[in-house]
Amino acid sequence: EAGVAQSPRYKIIEKRQSVAFWCNPISGHATLYWYQQILGQGPKLLIQFQNNGVVDDSQLPKDRFSAERLKGVDSTLKIQPAKLEDSAVYLCASSPGTGGAKETQYFGPGTRLLVL
Amino acid sequence: AQKITQTQPGMFVQEKEAVTLDCTYDTSDPSYGLFWYKQPSSGEMIFLIYQGSYDQQNATEGRYSLNFQKARKSANLVISASQLGDSAMYFCAMREGGSGNTGKLIFGQGTTLQVKP
Repeated sequence: EAGVAQSPRYKIIEKRQSVAFWCNPISGHATLYWYQQILGQGPKLLIQFQNNGVVDDSQLPKDRFSAERLKGVDSTLKIQPAKLEDSAVYLCASSPGTGGAKETQYFGPGTRLLVL
Repeated sequence: AQKITQTQPGMFVQEKEAVTLDCTYDTSDPSYGLFWYKQPSSGEMIFLIYQGSYDQQNATEGRYSLNFQKARKSANLVISASQLGDSAMYFCAMREGGSGNTGKLIFGQGTTLQVKP
C-alpha cells in the first residue's frame, strides 16, 4: 500500500513570495491533516479535513495560509505572502476514518520550506 | 498549558542495550490515545506504538513497548536491544477522544536518541 505522498520535498523562496505544497493521502483515507513543524519542536496542526470539509482550522493563519481538498482526495496548502517565520517542515498526514482516539495518523515525508 | 511533556532533549544508549524515553501528559478527557512516533533525519514521522486510555495492558510492538502508568499520567517508550538505526528524534503525542474533540494530535517537544556502536 502506497504511503502519503508530498511534493516538493524542498523549497527555498524569498519573503513575500508565494508557495504551494501538495499532498496525496493513503488511498481511501477520509481524514487529512496538515502540520507545521518548526525546527526543534513537535508538529502543530494547521488544518484538518474530513473528506471535503474542514474540521479544524483554528491554528491556521488565515491571513496568509489557505488550504483546500478537492474531491476529498488530494490537498494543497498555500502560503501567500511568506514570512521568515514560515520556515519549517510541512507535514501531511492521513487517517482512515473520522479521527477518533484510537485512530493512527500516517505521515508523508514532509516539505522543508526555507524563507529567505 | 503544555499537554505533552518530554523532559529529555537528548539521550545516548549503547548498541544492544535498552533505553527508556519519558513522556508525561495532561488531560481531563477520560478517553484518549497516546502515540509514539520516530522521526529520522529524513523527516518522515513513522508510527511506532499506540496505547488507549482504557487499555488494560501495556502496548508492545516488536522491540517497542509502552510503560503506561495512568495514575501518574506517564507513557514512557521502552526500546529494547537498541540498533544503530534507532538513532532519531522520538515524539510522544496524544489525541483526546471526547465529544467536541476533532482528534488532532498534540505533540511533545521530542527526544533525540543517539545509539553508540
